[in-house]
Amino acid sequence: GGIITQTPKFLIGQEGQKLTLKCQQNFNHDTMYWYRQDSGKGLRLIYYSITENDLQKGDLSEGYDASREKKSSFSLTVTSAQKNEMAVFLCASSDWGGSSQNTLYFGAGTRLSVL
Amino acid sequence: GQGVEQPAKLMSVEGTFARVNCTYSTSGFNGLSWYQQREGQAPVFLSYVVLDGLKDSGHFSTFLSRSNGYSYLLLTELQIKDSASYLCAVRGNYNQGKLIFGQGTKLSIKP
Repeated sequence: GGIITQTPKFLIGQEGQKLTLKCQQNFNHDTMYWYRQDSGKGLRLIYYSITENDLQKGDLSEGYDASREKKSSFSLTVTSAQKNEMAVFLCASSDWGGSSQNTLYFGAGTRLSVL
Repeated sequence: GQGVEQPAKLMSVEGTFARVNCTYSTSGFNGLSWYQQREGQAPVFLSYVVLDGLKDSGHFSTFLSRSNGYSYLLLTELQIKDSASYLCAVRGNYNQGKLIFGQGTKLSIKP
């Protein structure tokens, strides 16, 4: 088995602040993802990475940067936090190819609040 | 455009069954999966289907009709602990790294 660790669990920021969320996985998976989950809405893909140093934009990439420093880690940066923003950011990983791509393993999430 | 639709809420009774529906519209089709998400927790993978028909996995069964862009997750012999949100996710042909999620269906189970 493996685990995905997201840090921090809770993040409180100020409007306009640059905030970084981190994710580590020990599944040895090729692909990693960042999703945003707002209350009452589905998961929306921000960025994903097929392999180390690869970066692909999702539907919600504007306002975010991401970095796949090595196979096991994928970080997300909120470039300028928006006032009253509240959301949960979920990191996930999967193997690449075939049915494995549909089996995502998620971290526990980072809950963001912006004052 | 591409999208995955699910009803927001569903209620059922302990010991009976619940059917969670999902309709989708994507450019091509490369599989559909279901996840369970309990309140305040991460989504957990339940099932994956890519061929038409019913896939029986005991407590959970999954049905797929590709021609209708439709799937359902069937939970039988419901327990209170099955109360959770159930997320449907579809992968199209274009941009295969992208898994499109529905908003999720919150299933509430009464004693």
